[in-house]
Amino acid sequence: GAVVSQHPSRVICKSGTSVKIECRSLDFQATTMFWYRQFPKQSLMLMATSNEGSKATYEQGVEKDKFLINHASLTLSTLTVTSAHPEDSSFYICSAREPGQGSTDTQYFGPGTRLTVL
Amino acid sequence: GENVEQHPSTLSVQEGDSAVIKCTYSDSASNYFPWYKQELGKRPQLIIDIRSNVGEKKDQRIAVTLNKTAKHFSLHITETQPEDSAVYFCAASTPGSSYKLIFGSGTRLLVRP
Repeated sequence: GAVVSQHPSRVICKSGTSVKIECRSLDFQATTMFWYRQFPKQSLMLMATSNEGSKATYEQGVEKDKFLINHASLTLSTLTVTSAHPEDSSFYICSAREPGQGSTDTQYFGPGTRLTVL
Repeated sequence: GENVEQHPSTLSVQEGDSAVIKCTYSDSASNYFPWYKQELGKRPQLIIDIRSNVGEKKDQRIAVTLNKTAKHFSLHITETQPEDSAVYFCAASTPGSSYKLIFGSGTRLLVRP
């Protein structure tokens, strides 16, 4: 299957700072990437859909000015958590949709980034 | 929008027994239903998926069934092994939604040796 990488795998930052997380599709071009947040022992909550060359679509309740998403190329999407606070501490996971014949919904996930805000 | 409910939240079975996890969805237009397995601290891994034009799909010990009328789908794992222990998530995708997945709440499966 397709390979998606994510960097960094772990990050610890001070409250008020910004953190950038990168998501890359390594062996395919992903026109659409997704960003999820997962709190301990909970499900994956979709934050936003990232489309190459256009603005991201945010889910209800997700602050677009706090979670900045950029999808500048077909293999890279970035999520920047601005002015991070302890309540932003979570496991952030990206996924990428592999294009295929017709409509293909298969998503492959990155390994995740564990963010801890002190 | 789509809403996916998953049951049970935890499931403990003896090695060799079968495990069944059930999900229901709300949007009758949803047409793609994947199942992911997630081990602690790791990424979700796609284990099987089914599309709305099929009622059942099987891959070795894993099978998924779909009932479009009732809007529910189930994951069946036969001859369970300790390495099947993980959290399993169902999801649903609706056409025209940029292929986004809406996940169920997850089922923690424990296979006792």
